[in-house]
Amino acid sequence: EAQVTQNPRYLITVTGKKLTVTCSQNMNHEYMSWYRQDPGLGLRQIYYSMNVEVTDKGDVPEGYKVSRKEKRNFPLILESPSPNQTSLYFCASSLIGGELFFGEGSRLTVL
Amino acid sequence: GESVGLHLPTLSVQEGDNSIINCAYSNSASDYFIWYKQESGKGPQFIIDIRSNMDKRQGQRVTVLLNKTVKHLSLQIAATQPGDSAVYFCAVLKRDSGTYKYIFGTGTRLKVLA
Repeated sequence: EAQVTQNPRYLITVTGKKLTVTCSQNMNHEYMSWYRQDPGLGLRQIYYSMNVEVTDKGDVPEGYKVSRKEKRNFPLILESPSPNQTSLYFCASSLIGGELFFGEGSRLTVL
Repeated sequence: GESVGLHLPTLSVQEGDNSIINCAYSNSASDYFIWYKQESGKGPQFIIDIRSNMDKRQGQRVTVLLNKTVKHLSLQIAATQPGDSAVYFCAVLKRDSGTYKYIFGTGTRLKVLA
């Protein structure tokens, strides 16, 4: 089944404790992207990747890192999480210029 | 920069009626548009898309209309059912110097009344 898989789905952590949210897709998509979704603000792009070893900042990259060492994986790293990073996070992938396929989301709470 | 807006944050319709959800975009060079449905606790799901060389595209109970003159996009759902209750939002693909970015509207919550 074609899908985008994110883990963990739910996470409660404390300020400053490094965490990684993994994302994997099995559709051989070149494009991958991370978004955060907050009430009233819609989906805002954090980082995106056009292909392996090619990443770029989206609209709200501060406090986040990404890597794209393999085509299928695009982890989101929070080196020192803060409460304002409490949000619902979505990973998505697509062929270049095609529809985005989304994961089921990762709800992160930073205390 | 590119912006995408939806006209109504909430839309309530009677079961069986048709629903129309609207979206406006700002960049006349945009050439690919997508509608997504997001149910509570789930990721956005693709409904239908349209490219700028078309004005209308139909799927199963859904139709997307594109008016490039006024930069307006709409999603029509025929015979709305309780299972259609969700948040709907449009996405516009922005191309810039070989990179791609999807710009999203904030969403319209569709409530289906029995």
